[in-house]
Amino acid sequence: SQQGEEDPQALSIQEGENATMNCSYKTSINNLQWYRQNSGRGLVHLILIRSNEREKHSGRLRVTLDTSKKSSSLLITASRAADTASYFCATDFGGQAGTALIFGKGTTLSVSS
Amino acid sequence: GAGVSQSPSNKVTEKGKDVELRCDPISGHTALYWYRQSLGQGLEFLIYFQGNSAPDKSGLPSDRFSAERTGGSVSTLTIQRTQQEDSAVYLCASSFTGFSGNTIYFGEGSWLTVV
Repeated sequence: SQQGEEDPQALSIQEGENATMNCSYKTSINNLQWYRQNSGRGLVHLILIRSNEREKHSGRLRVTLDTSKKSSSLLITASRAADTASYFCATDFGGQAGTALIFGKGTTLSVSS
Repeated sequence: GAGVSQSPSNKVTEKGKDVELRCDPISGHTALYWYRQSLGQGLEFLIYFQGNSAPDKSGLPSDRFSAERTGGSVSTLTIQRTQQEDSAVYLCASSFTGFSGNTIYFGEGSWLTVV
């Protein structure tokens, strides 16, 4: 499967702590994206990192990409209760029309106050 | 509209009936996608439309599933002779152009329950 796989499946932390989620994939990618989903509804795009980038920041989010290990990590610093959600990585293999993002099964993050 | 709009939000149908799910993408977006998400699972790609190109139907799970996109805008996903395993959230998304590197915007999904 070319699917990205997140690790851990579930993560419970206290407010103020950092949360780290990992994503592994199997074949070369054009880019990798992280999405957030609240309560099983629509997904919201968080950040995109291209294959030639190693690290990106957006507010309290930090994403790294290691193409040699075919893995990415999402770090949420100083977590808040409102960060409670499921987080998905999606790998984009590029190519002609008909390419689709392949989503992993997600990491469920619970932040307690 | 401002975002991707899907209808109905929730649908309960009897096994064997046909259902239609509608998606209205963001105005100007040429690419449209359908995904399915079963309870507690990741997203399963179903079908992808890009402009006037032939759609990528490689993710449709069976010939009971079909989708159309009329006029390059609104899309309808049809499930014929629904089965209980079809129960899931059906998510539609759109992007300005097709991948790669484009942010895709999701609708809130249509919850389908087959009883």
